[in-house]
Amino acid sequence: RKEVEQDPGPFNVPEGATVAFNCTYSNSASQSFFWYRQDCRKEPKLLMSVYSSGNEDGRFTAQLNRASQYISLLIRDSKLSDSATYLCVVSPYGGSQGNLIFGKGTKLSVKP
Amino acid sequence: NAGVTQTPKFQVLKTGQSMTLQCAQDMNHEYMSWYRQDPGMGLRLIHYSVGAGITDQGEVPNGYNVSRSTTEDFPLRLLSAAPSQTSVYFCASSYGGHGVDEQYFGPGTRLTVT
Repeated sequence: RKEVEQDPGPFNVPEGATVAFNCTYSNSASQSFFWYRQDCRKEPKLLMSVYSSGNEDGRFTAQLNRASQYISLLIRDSKLSDSATYLCVVSPYGGSQGNLIFGKGTKLSVKP
Repeated sequence: NAGVTQTPKFQVLKTGQSMTLQCAQDMNHEYMSWYRQDPGMGLRLIHYSVGAGITDQGEVPNGYNVSRSTTEDFPLRLLSAAPSQTSVYFCASSYGGHGVDEQYFGPGTRLTVT
């Protein structure tokens, strides 16, 4: 099983739609979880961290299910500017050890 | 702050040539790293450093060398370029002396080896 797996998409949705991305990770000891956003031909940028209790930032909601080793990102009321690739990122070890593992990304295209 | 800067933005090399990709950050970050990104492969860690004078290998280190003589700079050297090294290279840094904080990425270097 790959360390971090994502549905590659593409997800093609109309403006205003709600879209959800899923991600699974293999190492049950993982402690830190993130969603990064990468625009076409640009560098990745942190979108949000994912906390055990779930967290929300405007139209974006991230959830973590440790029992299922599953992370999700929900985008409500999609905008054209949300079109990008969304990377699921996990630390492979507990605490502050190790380096981040990046998923291959899920591509989102929001159409007018 | 300029953040993380990388030079050059684009480079074409012939097989066997060597070159150095430059990376610098002005945020006084301890942790710096190099990734390569290939279509369908995601970001893969090449080398990383947890502080000046300390470097270690990542997932795909073969064919690359790094050094960290200062906190600010973390150059990546390609020893003898091969077509398999055609990729987009990203340098990243983070505040802590480890890799699990928010990573700040440079704009990338697009390398083609012919």
